[in-house]
Amino acid sequence: DAGVIQSPRHEVTEMGQEVTLRCKPISGHNSLFWYRQTMMRGLELLIYFNNNVPIDDSGMPEDRFSAKMPNASFSTLKIQPSEPRDSAVYFCASSYLVGELFFGEGSRLTVL
Amino acid sequence: GIQVEQSPPDLILQEGANSTLRCNFSDSVNNLQWFHQNPWGQLINLFYIPSGTKQNGRLSATTVATERYSLLYISSSQTTDSGVYFCAVEVNTGFQKLVFGTGTRLLVSP
Repeated sequence: DAGVIQSPRHEVTEMGQEVTLRCKPISGHNSLFWYRQTMMRGLELLIYFNNNVPIDDSGMPEDRFSAKMPNASFSTLKIQPSEPRDSAVYFCASSYLVGELFFGEGSRLTVL
Repeated sequence: GIQVEQSPPDLILQEGANSTLRCNFSDSVNNLQWFHQNPWGQLINLFYIPSGTKQNGRLSATTVATERYSLLYISSSQTTDSGVYFCAVEVNTGFQKLVFGTGTRLLVSP
């Protein structure tokens, strides 16, 4: 398997623009997670999907953030409008049931 | 919420040395995982270890859930072991919510 695939790997945008990050989980995995990593706050769980259904979005910072999982092989994390404080590395991860968690390579977002 | 503390925060080793990284957690957990984040930022799962001991090559891990700690052993360290090591614990929320520690930053010099 190719592992968890994220795109884009790098995104530079201006404040106020919409940002969409994409994730393809490992085939057969039924849990998908979006994490954000910053120097100040470390790794934070933003949202968790199980069988394509959002289970916990308590980590989503505010209404500017939204996530969808229309099918088992695709998820998006959208920020609209983006702000400089959203600059971070966003990781997608997947697992089967409550097993080992596998991360994608991350999307590094810079908002100017 | 649960507290996950890792020690030491930073570690510098000469290639070939051994080391032990520690993860303490403040409450009972369903499972624990160790990850390595390499200098390029990639997060790699090392161990899924809710209890007991596992070994994978030069790495091994032990979790003593009743005493709320886990140890990661690195033997004969190599420069490629450099990076940040995270432990993450799954709290009992009914789903797989992992709480990450702040990490141990390891530098192995040749």
